[in-house]
Amino acid sequence: AQSVTQPDIHITVSEGASLELRCNYSYGATPYLFWYVQSPGQGLQLLLKYFSGDTLVQGIKGFEAEFKRSQSSFNLRKPSVHWSDAAEYFCAADSGGGADGLTFGKGTHLIIQP
Amino acid sequence: DTAVSQTPKYLVTQMGNDKSIKCEQNLGHDTMYWYKQDSKKFLKIMFSYNNKELIINETVPNRFSPKSPDKAHLNLHINSLELGDSAVYFCASSQGLLAGGWNEQFFGPGTRLTVL
Repeated sequence: AQSVTQPDIHITVSEGASLELRCNYSYGATPYLFWYVQSPGQGLQLLLKYFSGDTLVQGIKGFEAEFKRSQSSFNLRKPSVHWSDAAEYFCAADSGGGADGLTFGKGTHLIIQP
Repeated sequence: DTAVSQTPKYLVTQMGNDKSIKCEQNLGHDTMYWYKQDSKKFLKIMFSYNNKELIINETVPNRFSPKSPDKAHLNLHINSLELGDSAVYFCASSQGLLAGGWNEQFFGPGTRLTVL
């Protein structure tokens, strides 16, 4: 069965420190991959997406993600976090069938320490 | 200017009642979706519609019935509400089957349903 795994439920990072959020997928073929962010009480905002091409993808708010086929991973990174980055981060995948809907990971809650 | 809108934003109701959540998108997309986010923040697809036709119906109780009067609207009607229905419901839209590649989904702000 298709699945997306985010192994870290919570991550705490000091403001100004670097960040990496992990995501692994299990699909028959490489799916379309996405990272979304959800601030408290808010909807979902797309940070970045990947299907093919350059395996390092740049997104909004200074985020980037690296696709590694050999590890079935699509990890999200940011060189220096800001207090406003505190939120829930979701990795998601789409098989590309057109109307299948996204399969989400369970999310990683990011806490920023002052 | 809102791309995907949902009403209401909050919905508080008693067990056994029937309620509806409305969703509209002004992006010209052909495909719309409903997702449920439970208390642990887990997001799961419920339904997808392409051009008013039901495509996906995940394991969702029959009490949930989506209705798409046109391709810009996908409403969710819930009968005989139960405590376990309390969640945040997100509507989304995408170019869908005609995307020819990217199928980026745009999400609405969510509707927080509380069943008492």
